[in-house]
Amino acid sequence: QLVLTQSASASASLGASVKLTCTLSSGHSSYAIAWHQQQPEKGPRYLMKLNNDGSHSKGDGIPDRFSGSSSGAERYLTISSLQSEDEADYYCQTWGTGIHVVFGGGTKLTVL
Amino acid sequence: QVQLVESGGGVVQPGGSLRLSCVASGFTFSYYAMYWVRQAPGEGLEWVAFIQYDGSDKNYLDSVKGRFTISRDNSKKTLFLQMNNLRVEDTAVYYCAKALYTSTSWAAFDLWGRGTMVIASS
Repeated sequence: QLVLTQSASASASLGASVKLTCTLSSGHSSYAIAWHQQQPEKGPRYLMKLNNDGSHSKGDGIPDRFSGSSSGAERYLTISSLQSEDEADYYCQTWGTGIHVVFGGGTKLTVL
Repeated sequence: QVQLVESGGGVVQPGGSLRLSCVASGFTFSYYAMYWVRQAPGEGLEWVAFIQYDGSDKNYLDSVKGRFTISRDNSKKTLFLQMNNLRVEDTAVYYCAKALYTSTSWAAFDLWGRGTMVIASS
């Protein structure tokens, strides 16, 4: 069974950088994922698709401050020059025949 | 404008029914698989249902099989979710979402609606 694991919370200061992690369960390290942002009281917003080789394709209008990288079973979302509007929940998602669609539990990012 | 707009949510007693709609605009709806995803209050995201771009294939979360039915009308660029025999645990915001690529089944979601709230309560 494929499981995506995310830390429940993270925090960083305004203007700083933060790296969020999504970990694929054992045996599933080749899977691509997508990152989504959900600001308070809003629907999710697609940020990027991130492949196992670290290549990624961002959604329309996503600032350059958002980037993705991969290492083994870990998928990362790095946000640089943090702004107040980056305070949100961040979800990773994966998909495939048999597993259908799986979401991580989400990371709540606080901008200090 | 590329967007998805859901409607049809509301308050219903356990055992009742609701039909959700999702109207698409700004892209060729008939080329893409579509999905419903829900989020219970204070909880994370949970995939609920999938429908292939032409309606030829459908799939559901185990807990909603036999109660929920996904469908689409490509001529009206609209996605539906018929929810019958609703349970308290179905209470959530329901979002529709679009597949990133054309003609694929399972994919990243690259467009989300704003959601519609469903409350099953006596």
